[in-house]
Amino acid sequence: DGGITQSPKYLFRKEGQNVTLSCEQNLNHDAMYWYRQDPGQGLRLIYYSQIVNDFQKGDIAEGYSVSREKKESFPLTVTSAQKNPTAFYLCASRIPGLSNQPQHFGDGTRLSIL
Amino acid sequence: GQQVMQIPQYQHVQEGEDFTTYCNSSTTLSNIQWYKQRPGGHPVFLIQLVKSGEVKKQKRLTFQFGEAKKNSSLHITATQTTDVGTYFCAANTGNQFYFGTGTSLTVIP
Repeated sequence: DGGITQSPKYLFRKEGQNVTLSCEQNLNHDAMYWYRQDPGQGLRLIYYSQIVNDFQKGDIAEGYSVSREKKESFPLTVTSAQKNPTAFYLCASRIPGLSNQPQHFGDGTRLSIL
Repeated sequence: GQQVMQIPQYQHVQEGEDFTTYCNSSTTLSNIQWYKQRPGGHPVFLIQLVKSGEVKKQKRLTFQFGEAKKNSSLHITATQTTDVGTYFCAANTGNQFYFGTGTSLTVIP
């Protein structure tokens, strides 16, 4: 079955530590996205990538970094510069450019500070 | 960036009652999508609206896009416990999606 796999499901970060969240998709989608969701709030865009080796900052990119070396993979690193990283992180993918294409989401990663 | 407001933030209804959530934008939208997120789950695409004044139905769910393409609504008739979750609208600008804050629906049996 095609889909998006995020790992791990739960992640704990120590002070000053960088952590990387994995996102892999086998839907053959060019576009991939990372969102942050805080309790009672909507999804806020961190980074997105329309094609391999290219990515753009979203509204809340500070303290995060990404790479897009392969079409299937779009890992997100939460750096120590992100002072409030506790949140639910969602990865999504879609066919880019065609405005009627929906986003497909992974099951998410819950990140907490130790 | 794009601002998309959604109300109400929370709604508790008795099973069998109707439910409506509203989405408003300060700018004209090319299209709008609706997603449902079950508790503990991830958002799942429900529908997209493109045309001014468009109305689409999915069983008990009715979706509307305003004439000015600045607002949209989702109406659920005779809610069931399976309708529980958070409903989000999302404005699509081509490369990015701007999500509303969501409406969390609780259905009391």
